[in-house]
Amino acid sequence: QAGLTQPPSVSKGLRQTATLTCTGNSNNVGNQGATWLQQHQGHPPKLLSYRDNNRPSGISERFSASRSENTASLTITGLQPEDEADYYCSAWDSSLSAWVFGGGTKLTVL
Amino acid sequence: EVQLVESGGGLVQPGGSLKLSCAASGFTFSGSAMHWVRQASGKGLEWVGRMRNKANYYATVYAASVKGRFTISRDDSKNTAYLQMNSLKTEDTAVYYCARSVEGGAIDYWGQGTLVTVSS
Repeated sequence: QAGLTQPPSVSKGLRQTATLTCTGNSNNVGNQGATWLQQHQGHPPKLLSYRDNNRPSGISERFSASRSENTASLTITGLQPEDEADYYCSAWDSSLSAWVFGGGTKLTVL
Repeated sequence: EVQLVESGGGLVQPGGSLKLSCAASGFTFSGSAMHWVRQASGKGLEWVGRMRNKANYYATVYAASVKGRFTISRDDSKNTAYLQMNSLKTEDTAVYYCARSVEGGAIDYWGQGTLVTVSS
């Protein structure tokens, strides 16, 4: 099943801002909005935002999401060492009747 | 506190079967949709399938890669979801996560995962 497209890796310096992208189509990201997940090595994924820019309770305001048509973005400000992780986007695809995931972006904080 | 605890993983031969369980607590299980998502070692997340709640007729939907081989079920009286896996292939080897969503919403809580290894 077709997935969402994410860059494999992004590297930024401490306290800098990183913007991660996720490209889908009008059946998924463009229609239902995107969900963003953070996954540290050896741990399950953790929800960061849903339906474009809704943050669950307890998620830092340093994480913000947005969307322009079929591309969703996750912006992380004031990068900290603990932000180093894999980040996945996902969305419900109405044509496939399935959740689709991006391949993930490995964020390195230098 | 929301908890999802998977069990039942292990080593199975190609062509074999395995049934995973997911014990839930800390939320209204009967009102939620339950998902299974897997992750092969060093790879990304792959959605396996979802079962909706009773109000939505326990409707199921599966990824093309597992359709016809995997079956999701649930027992609302036990707050437990299941994943029955048949005709297993080596490419099914992965950590299997149980996850939940509110109906029509995003997948918001995840279990710790259970490892399934398909190998002879």
